[in-house]
Amino acid sequence: EPEVTQTPSHQVTQMGQEVILRCVPISNHLYFYWYRQILGQKVEFLVSFYNNEISEKSEIFDDQFSVERPDGSNFTLKIRSTKLEDSAMYFCASGMTRPYGYTFGSGTRLTVV
Amino acid sequence: EDKVVQSPLSLVVHEGDTVTLNCSYEVTNFRSLLWYKQEKKAPTFLFMLTSSGIEKKSGRLSSILDKKELFSILNITATQTGDSAVYLCALDYGGSQGNLIFGKGTKLSVKP
Repeated sequence: EPEVTQTPSHQVTQMGQEVILRCVPISNHLYFYWYRQILGQKVEFLVSFYNNEISEKSEIFDDQFSVERPDGSNFTLKIRSTKLEDSAMYFCASGMTRPYGYTFGSGTRLTVV
Repeated sequence: EDKVVQSPLSLVVHEGDTVTLNCSYEVTNFRSLLWYKQEKKAPTFLFMLTSSGIEKKSGRLSSILDKKELFSILNITATQTGDSAVYLCALDYGGSQGNLIFGKGTKLSVKP
């Protein structure tokens, strides 16, 4: 069964450092998303990406965040200057069409120290 | 305020029991309601509900949506230890590209 692959599975970074979280969506999917889940809290939408541009973003997705699809297969989330409160599990997801449920990746646990 | 409220927040049952998980919401104009199972990491898709009163079924799991009363339920019959997980309800609400609003989840523990 096709999978959404995320790397790394766990990243520890110092506050103020830049991090790039990587995702390889399912190959024929057209819609791409990033969500995050702070430990013990609910899954929260960050950003959606379609047709090579951001289509929606939440208030969490401020200027510190950016997304790219650099080569047609990878989908990355960059956090420019990490804060302690960015510590969370970050999930990438992709979908073929709406309104079908997406496929989530297994997540990257980001720990900012 | 929370637009999607799940109850109970946690539940402990024994193998063989039947459980009903609840999801109520405040939004009236949404495209679909989805249920996910989250074991250790990624939520995995269970059901998508768009129409009121039509039960979706997959093995021992079933779900139904009531758009008039603004809730959905997820039933699991003859529970097994492998059903232990957090069950998430989410709304495909607003936006143009399907961003989801999640509830906090119900943590189900099935004891042998």
